[in-house]
Amino acid sequence: KQEVTQIPAALSVPEGENLVLNCSFTDSAIYNLQWFRQDPGKGLTSLLLIQSSQREQTSGRLNASLDKSSGRSTLYIAASQPGDSATYLCAVRPNTGFQKLVFGTGTRLLVSP
Amino acid sequence: GAGVSQSPSNKVTEKGKDVELRCDPISGHTALYWYRQSLGQGLEFLIYFQGNSAPDKSGLPSDRFSAERTGGSVSTLTIQRTQQEDSAVYLCASSLSSPYEQYFGPGTRLTVT
Repeated sequence: KQEVTQIPAALSVPEGENLVLNCSFTDSAIYNLQWFRQDPGKGLTSLLLIQSSQREQTSGRLNASLDKSSGRSTLYIAASQPGDSATYLCAVRPNTGFQKLVFGTGTRLLVSP
Repeated sequence: GAGVSQSPSNKVTEKGKDVELRCDPISGHTALYWYRQSLGQGLEFLIYFQGNSAPDKSGLPSDRFSAERTGGSVSTLTIQRTQQEDSAVYLCASSLSSPYEQYFGPGTRLTVT
């Protein structure tokens, strides 16, 4: 059974810092991996999707990497801003029965001005 | 363009009552997913629709839960004889097809008293 773990569970940083969020998964047989952000009381916003054949994806100040063989992904946020404060979730889509996403428990990020 | 919409946004119901939650996917998206987000369990997959059929119902927690989709569009998740452990945020997502990127709605917060 695929299990997804995110470390740290919570992170508090001052504005301007670069930071890394970690995601690990137990089964490397994945189709893709997706990073989301969730604001309090809101749904999920997709940030980046990395196909299993890719090593990284970039969007603005965000960069996500994928090392499928070791079961790891990182989300790098450059020059953090208070507006980045949210919960960040990673999710993998397994190769088998590959319709559903398996989610990690999230990292709650607070960026202070 | 319009995103995924869900109604109601909040629902408070008494234990034992039935509830219906609605999801309107993005126009043209053939795949639709229901997930549940609760404090103790994180974000869990419930059911997947491709068109009007549900090839994967493996996440439905009990036979009190059912879902249907009509016209390849709107979906309804029904919970019969609600229990307090059903309290959670129910999220709907849609995609062009499987396994493309999933787009999430804002969710319905269900509270069973």
